[in-house]
Amino acid sequence: AQSVTQLDSQVPVFEEAPVELRCNYSSSVSVYLFWYVQYPNQGLQLLLKYLSGSTLVESINGFEAEFNKSQTSFHLRKPSVHISDTAEYFCAVRRNGQNFVFGPGTRLSVLP
Amino acid sequence: DAGVTQSPTHLIKTRGQQVTLRCSPKSGHDTVSWYQQALGQGPQFIFQYYEEEERQRGNFPDRFSGHQFPNYSSELNVNALLLGDSALYLCASSLRTASSGNTIYFGEGSWLTVV
Repeated sequence: AQSVTQLDSQVPVFEEAPVELRCNYSSSVSVYLFWYVQYPNQGLQLLLKYLSGSTLVESINGFEAEFNKSQTSFHLRKPSVHISDTAEYFCAVRRNGQNFVFGPGTRLSVLP
Repeated sequence: DAGVTQSPTHLIKTRGQQVTLRCSPKSGHDTVSWYQQALGQGPQFIFQYYEEEERQRGNFPDRFSGHQFPNYSSELNVNALLLGDSALYLCASSLRTASSGNTIYFGEGSWLTVV
């Protein structure tokens, strides 16, 4: 069975500082990888996804994630965070035709 | 073009009662999945419906059941509610024939509180 680990439950960081949210997954087969963001009292919004090709994927708001097959990781990074990035971030994996398996989430708090 | 819509947005039920949550998928989508997100946790897959049948099911008891209608909308029913059923219930819609990596759209969710 697949599983997703997000080791950091909470990450406080000052505004304009860089941040990395870690994600590791366990799967013996190829999977698709996703990061979703959830703002307070809202549903899930897709941030970025890795399907194939370049291992570095980017979102429109400055986040990027790199797929590392050997380390089974898909860490999320942003070089300079804003107050508006405060949210819960979920890493997820999905096999072809199967449902999502989500990690427990990381709460990013950006401090002024 | 409306996205995924869920109703109600919030509701409070008493232990032992039954609840029905509703989901309308994004236009053109034919597959609906339901997830339970308990407070402070990631979403957990409940089940998926396609062509009005349950196609996949997660590790949830039979108290959780669902239905899909010919217009692709779906309902999630939970019987004999327990306090532990308090959670955000998310509906996700997709197109069955699309690539598995194709974007799946989530609704805003239904917040269920069991007292």
